[in-house]
Order: sequence, then structure tokens, then C-alpha cells
Amino acid sequence: AQSVTQPDIHITVSEGASLELRCNYSYGATPYLFWYVQSPGQGLQLLLKYFSGDTLVQGIKGFEAEFKRSQSSFNLRKPSVHWSDAAEYFCAVTSKTSYDKVIFGPGTSLSVIP
Amino acid sequence: DTGVSQDPRHKITKRGQNVTFRCDPISEHNRLYWYRQTLGQGPEFLTYFQNEAQLEKSRLLSDRFSAERPKGSFSTLEIQRTEQGDSAMYLCASSPTGQAILPRHTDTQYFGPGTRLTVL
Repeated sequence: AQSVTQPDIHITVSEGASLELRCNYSYGATPYLFWYVQSPGQGLQLLLKYFSGDTLVQGIKGFEAEFKRSQSSFNLRKPSVHWSDAAEYFCAVTSKTSYDKVIFGPGTSLSVIP
Repeated sequence: DTGVSQDPRHKITKRGQNVTFRCDPISEHNRLYWYRQTLGQGPEFLTYFQNEAQLEKSRLLSDRFSAERPKGSFSTLEIQRTEQGDSAMYLCASSPTGQAILPRHTDTQYFGPGTRLTVL
């Protein structure tokens, strides 16, 4: 079955510390991968996406993610977290198969300690 | 930049009542999506429009749910005979016409703030 898992339900980091949010997927076809962020009262915002090519992709707000096919992972990283990064983060996957939809993971809630 | 807007932002209703939500996509975006998000979960795809044509529907969309996009601009999502299990955040997203070589679902989807439905 197609699925996306985010092993960490909640993560707390100190401001200025590095961050890595984990994402693993199970998908039969070649995956297209996304990371979205959702702040309270706000809509989902796309941070970055991977379709093909360089497996390290850069996104907005200083985020990057690395696609590792052998590990079926697409982890999100940021070298130095800001208090404004506190939010819910969702990993998502789709493919070019006709009837595929965007499948979202359950999300990881990030808290930032000043 | 007006973004995707949704109305209302919150709706409280009694079980058995009908409710209707509206989504206004970004101007000239020809693709529009509806998702449902329950507490502690990621969004789940409900349905998708290309202009006024409803092209895909999830099995999550029971016969009590209906969505329309009559003129290819705004869309409405109606839930008839609401049940407590319908309580969720209903998200709308839109995307522009993407590159022909990429599948439609890889276009960047711009999400609205959602409509939170509470069924008592």
C-alpha cells in the first residue's frame, strides 16, 4: 500500500540548533516528494519538492531535503532553526500514474525553545 | 496577491443538517482540489477539478458529499445530513497549468486557510 510515515510526532529544539525531520515512503512507482509547512490558522505552504535530478533540493526559508532511494527517505533539514519555524510539517508523495493522488504523512509538530 | 480563500472559516452545525463551503482559487488557476484533514493527521484527498470538470473523486467522498465548480472559478463543497464523523478541517487548494510533461499532481498546490467544521 502507498503510504508516508513520519516517525516523529513531536520534536522540540532550541533556537539556533539544527533540525532534521524524518520522512519515509512506500510507493510502487517513481515518487515525487514534497514537504509542506502548516502554521496555526494558516494554509499549507510548500517548502520544497523533488521530481528528479539532484537528490539534494533547496527550498524556501533555508530548508533543504535529501532524497535517498535506497532508504525510501526524504528527510528535511535546516542548519539553524528560528522561533518562527514552530509549526506542523508534512511530507507528501505522488507519482505520474494516472490515478495517483498526493498522499500526505501524519505530520511532525515542531516546537522551538527560545 | 489574493491567494486561495475559503468561506466560512468555521462552521458549527447540528447532526443531520446540511452545510456548504466555498473556495475561491487563485485567479486563472484551472485546477482545484478539496482535502479533508482530521486532528493529528495529514490532509486526505477528496476530489479534483480541471476547470469545471470534476475528474477524480476519492472513495472518502460518500454520496452525502457533492462538489461543484460550475464556471471553472470558485467551487462549493456540500455535505448533506452531516454526521459527527464529518468534523474536520476542509482544505481547498489550486494550481496553475503545469508543464505538459509533468503529471498534474506535481504542480505546486496553493492551499487556502481551510474551513473547520464541527458537528454536534
